[in-house]
Amino acid sequence: QQQVKQSPQSLIVQKGGISIINCAYENTAFDYFPWYQQFPGKGPALLIAIRPDVSEKKEGRFTISFNKSAKQFSLHIMDSQPGDSATYFCAASANTGFQKLVFGTGTRLLVSP
Amino acid sequence: EAEVAQSPRYKITEKSQAVAFWCDPISGHATLYWYRQILGQGPELLVQFQDESVVDDSQLPKDRFSAERLKGVDSTLKIQPAELGDSAMYLCASSLDARTSESYEQYFGPGTRLTVT
Repeated sequence: QQQVKQSPQSLIVQKGGISIINCAYENTAFDYFPWYQQFPGKGPALLIAIRPDVSEKKEGRFTISFNKSAKQFSLHIMDSQPGDSATYFCAASANTGFQKLVFGTGTRLLVSP
Repeated sequence: EAEVAQSPRYKITEKSQAVAFWCDPISGHATLYWYRQILGQGPELLVQFQDESVVDDSQLPKDRFSAERLKGVDSTLKIQPAELGDSAMYLCASSLDARTSESYEQYFGPGTRLTVT
C-alpha cells in the first residue's frame, strides 16, 4: 500500500522557472518529511526536511510547504537550473521508536536551457 | 565530508549464484539501513540495524536474503540464490541514531547496481 503519493511523475521546466512537486500522505503519525535528490547512478542525497510544527522551510532556492490539515507537502525549486535535472523523492516517517522512511514514487525533473 | 561507502558499485551474476554487498556507514552512525530500489521507483527498506541488532527486517525475503552487522559498524547483505527479479540498485544508508528525532537524517551511499542474468 502506497503511504506517500507523489506527483507529477515527470516535469519539464524552463530554466529560471519554478518547479513544484507535490506529496500527500494518510498516516497522521508521520512527523518528519524529507526530500531527496537523486542523479542517475547515484544514491539519493538529502535536500531539505520539515517537521509538522512549521508550515514552510526554505534553504536557498529550495522551499518545502507543509499543510498539516490537508496532509500534503510540496517542494518548490525557485530559479530552476539545468543542474537541478534529477529525480526527486519525498519521504515520511513516524516517531515509533525507530525512524523508518517511506518514500514516494519519485518525480523526474528536466530543466531545459 | 564523511560518506557512506559501498562496494562493489556494479555486480553481474547468474541466476542461482550467491552475491554479497558491503557497506561502511559514516563513522559514529548507530543506525544502518539497506534499501532496494527498482528502476523508476523509490527506495524500499529491506533491513534496519541499530548498532549490531536488527530492528526491522519485515520486508526482507528471508528465504534468500540475509544481512549482518557483527560489530555494529560495517554491514554485509547477501542474496543466495539470486533470482532474475533481484536485479535492482541496493542502497545502504546510515543515520546518527534513529531513536532520536534530532538525529533522523539518513545519508545514502552510491549503491550497488545488481544485474542477474
